[in-house]
Amino acid sequence: AQSVTQPDIHITVSEGASLELRCNYSYGATPYLFWYVQSPGQGLQLLLKYFSGDTLVQGIKGFEAEFKRSQSSFNLRKPSVHWSDAAEYFCAVGDLYTNQKVTFGTGTKLQVIP
Amino acid sequence: EPEVTQTPSHQVTQMGQEVILRCVPISNHLYFYWYRQILGQKVEFLVSFYNNEISEKSEIFDDQFSVERPDGSNFTLKIRSTKLEDSAMYFCASKNMGLSGITDTQYFGPGTRLTVL
Repeated sequence: AQSVTQPDIHITVSEGASLELRCNYSYGATPYLFWYVQSPGQGLQLLLKYFSGDTLVQGIKGFEAEFKRSQSSFNLRKPSVHWSDAAEYFCAVGDLYTNQKVTFGTGTKLQVIP
Repeated sequence: EPEVTQTPSHQVTQMGQEVILRCVPISNHLYFYWYRQILGQKVEFLVSFYNNEISEKSEIFDDQFSVERPDGSNFTLKIRSTKLEDSAMYFCASKNMGLSGITDTQYFGPGTRLTVL
C-alpha cells in the first residue's frame, strides 16, 4: 500500500531564510509525486509534481523539489521564504499509470516569523 | 484557467439529515474523486468515479455515502444520514485521461466545509 510520511508537523522559519520540508514515500510501482499547499480555510493548490525526467522539479511561487529514488524522498525547498508562504504543505503520491487515488501525508504547517 | 468548483462553501446541518455536496469538475475531465479532511488531520480519499460508476472506494465510504453524475457537468456526494463525525472539509477533484499512458494530475476544488450539529 502506498504511504507518505512528513516527519515535521510544524516548522518555523524567519522571513528570508531558506526552507526544506521533508517527505518520504512508500510505493511499490512508479510513483507520481506531488506537493500541494493549503492556506487556512482554503483548498489545495498544486505547487509542483514529478513523474520522470530531471529529478529537480520547479514549481510555482519559487518552490522546487528533488526526487531521490534511493532515499524514497521528495523534499520541498525554497531559497528565501516570504511571509505569504505561511500555510500547510502536503506531500502526496499517486500511481503514474492508473487513475487511482492520491495518498496524502499528514502535512507540515509552516510558520514564518519576521 | 479552468478550475474545479464546489458548492456550497459551507454547509451546516443537523445530525441525521441528508446533505448533498456539489462539484463541477473541469469540463473535459473524465475521472472524478471525493476526499475529506477532518479538522487538523490529513486529506483522506473517499471515492473515485469513472464512466458513470465507482472505480474505487475507501473504508470510510460506507452505505451512508453515494455519488452521482446527474448530468454532463455536476458530480455530487450525498450523505444520507449525517453523523457528528462527518464534520469535515470535503474536496472534489477531477482529472483528464493523460497522454502516452501516463495519468494526469488531479485538480482539487476549494472544498465544502460540512458542519454537523
